[in-house]
Amino acid sequence: DADVTQTPRNRITKTGKRIMLECSQTKGHDRMYWYRQDPGLGLRLIYYSFDVKDINKGEISDGYSVSRQAQAKFSLSLESAIPNQTALYFCATRSSGTDTQYFGPGTRLTVL
Amino acid sequence: EDQVTQSPEALRLQEGESSSLNCSYTVSGLRGLFWYRQDPGKGPEFLFTLYSAGEEKEKERLKATLTKKESFLHITAPKPEDSATYLCAVQARTTDSWGKLQFGAGTQVVVTP
Repeated sequence: DADVTQTPRNRITKTGKRIMLECSQTKGHDRMYWYRQDPGLGLRLIYYSFDVKDINKGEISDGYSVSRQAQAKFSLSLESAIPNQTALYFCATRSSGTDTQYFGPGTRLTVL
Repeated sequence: EDQVTQSPEALRLQEGESSSLNCSYTVSGLRGLFWYRQDPGKGPEFLFTLYSAGEEKEKERLKATLTKKESFLHITAPKPEDSATYLCAVQARTTDSWGKLQFGAGTQVVVTP
């Protein structure tokens, strides 16, 4: 089984809808991250969390919110989706004792 | 502001034709430079971390090197299975506590038989 899982893997939604992307990990890592990837722009950080009670904004947090339900679960919500939020979304995890981030398989989100 | 620029954007190689990818960076004190491989429809897969100028890391046909301004990923005698997008990212020393990575846009490598 994969260490970092994301659901759904693909999602098509309409402008104005609220959607949630979920991330779960079995690596036992305390730090979790949400990124989005757009062609030609690379991966950009949306939110990150050190633990259940510590959540911080990344460089592009506007229009997004997150919830850390448990050490192993980190969800990303789009309160009112808009077309320019069409992108690939990746969750990543990291142990506080190391530098390496490990990525999930991604969610392809299309907002019509 | 931290910046990472990767070149070329795309690279087409014949099987066995060695080449290098470049990652140029500007960062306020480098904590670490990371290389990832990304296959279509998948998440980035960790390859290497480099911490100081002069450091080198190897894995199969891949070798990563680091200077004070750039890193190279050398692909020696590539095979079709080396086809992927290679991503470079830097972590500044000032953000060490929460591990913010600044990514480049990537180099797409295609290796033909």
